[in-house]
This record gives sequence, C-alpha cells and structure tokens, in this order.
Amino acid sequence: AQSVAQPEDQVNVAEGNPLTVKCTYSVSGNPYLFWYVQYPNRGLQFLLKYITGDNLVKGSYGFEAEFNKSQTSFHLKKPSALVSDSALYFCAVRRTGTASKLTFGTGTRLQVTL
Amino acid sequence: NAGVTQTPKFRILKIGQSMTLQCTQDMNHNYMYWYRQDPGMGLKLIYYSVGAGITDKGEVPNGYNVSRSTTEDFPLRLELAAPSQTSVYFCASSDTGLANYGYTFGSGTRLTVV
Repeated sequence: AQSVAQPEDQVNVAEGNPLTVKCTYSVSGNPYLFWYVQYPNRGLQFLLKYITGDNLVKGSYGFEAEFNKSQTSFHLKKPSALVSDSALYFCAVRRTGTASKLTFGTGTRLQVTL
Repeated sequence: NAGVTQTPKFRILKIGQSMTLQCTQDMNHNYMYWYRQDPGMGLKLIYYSVGAGITDKGEVPNGYNVSRSTTEDFPLRLELAAPSQTSVYFCASSDTGLANYGYTFGSGTRLTVV
C-alpha cells in the first residue's frame, strides 16, 4: 500500500518570506512524487514532479521540491512567498509502473499575508 | 485543447434521486479517474478506468457506478443519492507515456444532497 502524509493542515507565512510545505510518503519500490495546487472553486493543477535524477526539482510559479529518499520526504519550497500563492496544496505519490494510481495527501492550506 | 471537461459544475439533489456526472477528455488518455474531495480528507478514489470497456473500483465505490464505452468519456452515476454523497467530485485523466506520470484534472462538480 502507498500513503502520503501532510502533517500541517495550514501554513502561514508573510509575503517575501520563504515557505515550506511538508510531505512524507510511503511506497514500495521507487516513488513518483507530485505536487498539485488547488485555487478556490477550481480543479487541481500540476506544479511539479519527481520521477528520477536530480533530487531538487523545479516547477511552476517559482516552486521547487526536494526529494529525500532516506527521510522519505518531498517538501515543497519557495524562496519568497507571494500573496497569490495562497491556496490548497496536495502532495501525491505513485509507485513505478503505469498501472499504479496516485495517492493524495489530505492537503495543506497555505496562507500568505502582507 | 479543452483537457478534461466536467458537467454540471453545481447540482442539488434530493435524497433518493439519481444523476450522472459527465466527464470527457480530448487528450486521448487511456486512464481516467473519479475522485471525491471532502474537507480535511483530501481526495478519495471512487472508480478508475485503464481503457475503453475496462473499469475498476477505488477506495470508496459504494453508491456509485461508472462506464467507459469510449476513450473520451467516463460518466459517474449516482443511483440513490444520500447526504453522505455531498462532496466535490473531480474527474482526471492520464496517459501511459514515459514523459508524463501526472494527472490532468477537470474543474469539478459540487454536489449537494438534501
């Protein structure tokens, strides 16, 4: 079985400060890891993914995430937060193999204030 | 290129009524999925399909049915609506190619059962 944990329901950060949204995972074999963002009344939008290679992956809107195999983590980061980054963020994992399905975390609400 | 299209966007049902949530994609993706999103619970997989004519249950299939007669369409049927089915429903699709292991989501259907 595969699972994702997002330990924080909400993260609050001031605009201009760095942000981190935490994610840990459990999966047999090598993981494929994803971050999605959801704005109010919208569907989920793809931010970035880790498949293989460099542990630091860069995605849309200046976000990046670091894959740490030993800690089974895939934290989302951004050097300087914007108010417009306020949204719901989901981490997701699937194991290698095209037949496997994505398992999502419960989501973390990011609130960026002036 | 519309991506994944869901209709309707909003619906109110009375207990015991039935309805079909429509989902269509124009990306020729083989894999399609239905999720429900409840506050604090993340996304739960209801049903999925790996190609036309093939469907399978996810984590929370009870009270729902699906069919996949074409690659493009994956409707979700609620036969006897119950208040517990009040939720936001998302359809998603993915391809099986090496370059992309993520999902493309529709904008969702907000269903209220009263």
